[in-house]
Amino acid sequence: GAGVSQTPSNKVTEKGKYVELRCDPISGHTALYWYRQSLGQGPEFLIYFQGTGAADDSGLPNDRFFAVRPEGSVSTLKIQRTERGDSAVYLCASRETGVNEQFFGPGTRLTVL
Amino acid sequence: AQSVTQPDIHITVSEGASLELRCNYSYGATPYLFWYVQSPGQGLQLLLKYFSGDTLVQGIKGFEAEFKRSQSSFNLRKPSVHWSDAAEYFCAVALDSNYQLIWGAGTKLIIKP
Repeated sequence: GAGVSQTPSNKVTEKGKYVELRCDPISGHTALYWYRQSLGQGPEFLIYFQGTGAADDSGLPNDRFFAVRPEGSVSTLKIQRTERGDSAVYLCASRETGVNEQFFGPGTRLTVL
Repeated sequence: AQSVTQPDIHITVSEGASLELRCNYSYGATPYLFWYVQSPGQGLQLLLKYFSGDTLVQGIKGFEAEFKRSQSSFNLRKPSVHWSDAAEYFCAVALDSNYQLIWGAGTKLIIKP
């Protein structure tokens, strides 16, 4: 079956612009996670959805970052007023309820010039 | 502070040699423990995981890991590496059943022919 997909695969933007990153989880997976991976580092947790609601958004670095999952499937990570420090690979993962494994998408590489 | 440590940024081994990648964590209780592999251009793939029970766990691709509570370690091993094992390896922990992952910085494995 189809895995987790993320679009776009690459996004280049200018400082101060607004960007949206999309994640399509595996069908039927109720849990969805966003992580950010900066160059040379491990992923860093951003936010976790259970269904439509954000169960834990403690990893969002500041209020420029926001994520939604209105129908409990596709999720969008939104970054306002981008800064050069936001440049990273943004990873999405999904998990089926009752299963302890997350499946990761290929990521979106965001570059802020 | 809670953390996951992978002390080796990179390791070089000869093809056919054995491998051990180190991972230590600092948490009060035993977390859920994971090893992931990330190949260039590929998403993160789960190698193995430990939740409870037998402290030696087997994973995919011939990998195994041993949990040692007294050392707060979860080291990854493989008896004989193949050139295709060249990748970056991440140790991760989850503190509860929501499975938000906290990651180490990764170890890059280089295989000498």
